[in-house]
Amino acid sequence: SYVLTQPPSVSVAPGQTARITCGGNNIGSKSVHWYQQKPGQAPVLVVYDDSDRPSGIPERFSGSNSGNTATLTISRVEAGDEADYYCQVWDSSSDHYVFGTGTKVTVL
Amino acid sequence: QVQLQESGPGLVKPSETLSLTCAVSGYSISSGYYWGWIRQPPGKGLEWIGSIYHSGSTYYNPSLKSRVTISVDTSKNQFSLKLSSVTAADTAVYYCASLYYYGSGYDYWGQGTLVTVSS
Repeated sequence: SYVLTQPPSVSVAPGQTARITCGGNNIGSKSVHWYQQKPGQAPVLVVYDDSDRPSGIPERFSGSNSGNTATLTISRVEAGDEADYYCQVWDSSSDHYVFGTGTKVTVL
Repeated sequence: QVQLQESGPGLVKPSETLSLTCAVSGYSISSGYYWGWIRQPPGKGLEWIGSIYHSGSTYYNPSLKSRVTISVDTSKNQFSLKLSSVTAADTAVYYCASLYYYGSGYDYWGQGTLVTVSS
């Protein structure tokens, strides 16, 4: 089955840029979605189809996808961005969804 | 705006069947969208369980497929999850969510409901 690998944790100072990677075999050929999950809350979709943002999501959240790595970039990080982030793809070969392992973002 | 609310028993005995329902408001299930279930064991990551279209077409996680049934009831505007032969490993927060089209991201989520498997 298709595997998505994320770093367990990323630390960033306020105002700086956080980059969260999601690795998968030829992930660049798939559409990647990203979710933010704060403690005790349901996940929230922050980026879909590699780089699009749902209504209400700040422009500080952006995404890219190429080769074997997709990246979620959070610019001008704020304390409120501290959360777990998950990538997700639809694996067309098996017709099912896969979530990444998750990354905890800590704002120093 | 689409709103989803999970309901069902919070405690299920081992070997029994877990049953949850997701009530949808703000949108008619029969109008389209895909509807899905995702779970999260305590302290762990997200796991996709499966999805269903209003017509009844279903898609399941291969690792759970033999135990999972997702169904839709358009008359009640809700969809359901059944997971049979549960064990302690099925203890998790279960979320229902919606998909605009199959392949897109889950855009609306319920608040989640904790189901514990224990005797």
